[in-house]
Amino acid sequence: AQKVTQAQTEISVVEKEDVTLDCVYETRDTTYYLFWYKQPPSGELVFLIRRNSFDEQNEISGRYSWNFQKSTSSFNFTITASQVVDSAVYFCALSGGMTTDSWGKFQFGAGTQVVVTP
Amino acid sequence: EAGVVQSPRYKIIEKKQPVAFWCNPISGHNTLYWYRQNLGQGPELLIRYENEEAVDDSQLPKDRFSAERLKGVDSTLKIQPAELGDSAVYLCASSPGTGANVLTFGAGSRLTVL
Repeated sequence: AQKVTQAQTEISVVEKEDVTLDCVYETRDTTYYLFWYKQPPSGELVFLIRRNSFDEQNEISGRYSWNFQKSTSSFNFTITASQVVDSAVYFCALSGGMTTDSWGKFQFGAGTQVVVTP
Repeated sequence: EAGVVQSPRYKIIEKKQPVAFWCNPISGHNTLYWYRQNLGQGPELLIRYENEEAVDDSQLPKDRFSAERLKGVDSTLKIQPAELGDSAVYLCASSPGTGANVLTFGAGSRLTVL
């Protein structure tokens, strides 16, 4: 069975501070995909990134960066120089690879609420 | 390009009443998902369609929930009768195909059962 754990329920920061969201996953699949989604107050989940299990390179996109470490089964997300518009709930998700029974199934974590105050 | 459209956005009903939610996925997206999101939790899969076929409905409470996707495009999720514990946000998502493709979500339908 797949499992995604986001241990941080809520993180509060002051604008311009960095914030790191933790995501730990469990899977028996040898191939899998990891995702991050953002859910602003409007409610619609917005895709941020997808990473497959063969690609452990870290990625940076503007103020966002992701650290994938297979050895610790973690896929952490950092927002640098946070802004008020970053206030949202962030979800980590896991899906199995094409040759697995978890293909097409997306397991979401419980989410981390990020509150950025001016 | 229009996104995933869901309606209604909000619904308040008394327990034991029926309710239905509608979803129009992105044009050309063969795979459609219905998720339920309880307060403070992540989305949980209810049912997944590949075209008009329900390929995963193991988490759908079939005693009161039903879904259909006629012609493999729009989908409807129905609850009859609703219970207090059904209060949640019902999210529809679509993707071009099963698997690692990115899910595009609708804004959700928030149900309150009194």
